[in-house]
Amino acid sequence: GESVGLHLPTLSVQEGDNSIINCAYSNSASDYFIWYKQESGKGPQFIIDIRSNMDKRQGQRVTVLLNKTVKHLSLQIAATQPGDSAVYFCGEGGSRLTFGEGTQLTVNP
Amino acid sequence: NAGVTQTPKFRILKIGQSMTLQCTQDMNHNYMYWYRQDPGMGLKLIYYSVGAGITDKGEVPNGYNVSRSTTEDFPLRLELAAPSQTSVYFCASQPQDAELFFGSGTQLSVL
Repeated sequence: GESVGLHLPTLSVQEGDNSIINCAYSNSASDYFIWYKQESGKGPQFIIDIRSNMDKRQGQRVTVLLNKTVKHLSLQIAATQPGDSAVYFCGEGGSRLTFGEGTQLTVNP
Repeated sequence: NAGVTQTPKFRILKIGQSMTLQCTQDMNHNYMYWYRQDPGMGLKLIYYSVGAGITDKGEVPNGYNVSRSTTEDFPLRLELAAPSQTSVYFCASQPQDAELFFGSGTQLSVL
């Protein structure tokens, strides 16, 4: 069946470093991918998305990379700040979006 | 726009009781979703809808029902509440092939 998973359940970085959060997906028919951030006790917040006809998309301090050959998605956060500490989820699909289990990012001052 | 509105925010049910979680959106989005999130876990898709009158099962539909009589509303029904349904429930809406807009969630405890 379909699955969206993450390579690492937790990630700890120093403030100012770059963070990379990885995600593997299994449905090669997925044409839309998305990243969300969820702070404790809150709902998910949209970060960035990418369609299957693209390999890379940049936002403010964030970049999403899509490798369709190995079905891999990554989120890069530049100059990580304490406010970036949260759980990050990747999602895949189109009309039926499913999400992975999430990676807990901790930013150490 | 109010976005996606979920009610109630909190609810405690006894085993076997029923209830409806309300979700409404004012963005005229065709797609709507219900997810549940257990503590420390990810979002699991319960049901989704691609338009009024159309609903489909997600990953964990057992114990739930939905309806989509209008574009705006997508209520989630629990008929016989069980402790395993204790979770936080998120409703979301989506324009086609774009980001999901989430509600603030309903925290449900079944005791």
